[in-house]
Amino acid sequence: QVQLVQSGAAVQKPGSSVKVSCKASGGTFNSYAINWVRQAPGQGLEWMGRILPTIDVTNYAQKFQDRVTFSADKSTLTAYLEVSSLRSEDTAVYYCAKEELLGYFDSWGQGTLLIVSS
Amino acid sequence: DIVMTQTPLSLSVTPGQPASLSCKSSQSLLHSDGKTYLLWYLQKAGQPPQLLIYEASKRVSGVSDRFSGSGSGTDFTLEISRVEAEDVGVYYCLQSRQLPLTFGGGTMVDIK
Repeated sequence: QVQLVQSGAAVQKPGSSVKVSCKASGGTFNSYAINWVRQAPGQGLEWMGRILPTIDVTNYAQKFQDRVTFSADKSTLTAYLEVSSLRSEDTAVYYCAKEELLGYFDSWGQGTLLIVSS
Repeated sequence: DIVMTQTPLSLSVTPGQPASLSCKSSQSLLHSDGKTYLLWYLQKAGQPPQLLIYEASKRVSGVSDRFSGSGSGTDFTLEISRVEAEDVGVYYCLQSRQLPLTFGGGTMVDIK
């Protein structure tokens, strides 16, 4: 069973960038995708997109296409989410999730709280 | 994008009583492969979501048989036969028929 461990909480200033990591243990990247889901305070879940690390294919939700980048390091089994030009509205918990099938997320990271504040 | 609409927003249930949650999609979630790409997740306070149901009605291994999913096309239901205290949380439906994946707004279930 693959477990995902994310980097710790971060406080960033507006206009800066942040990179969140998601490290897999107990398996390999094989052929599954890592998805990223955002949850603003007190709000619902929002799918940001996914990356297939073995073939470096990415899919982005249109809303996030301009300021978000997914990447992965196959050697360390770590996926990354980078968000640039941060705004206060980016304050949220960011989850990575392993995709068994499209939408079928069988393992989640613990979540990374990002606070964007001056 | 496919819009997912969940009702009600919240539900307060007496332990041991049933609960019914609705999810409607703006387009059919039936794929040409014959599968219906609708999933249900439960998010308990302070935790990431956990998968309960996939393909509209298939229960994930280890999930209580008190949970059942039904529906087709654009209308779906998650039923909890006898609500227990551990079922408290927010339930989300998710469509995976096409990208971008989209979640419903969630239904919060609590205990009376």
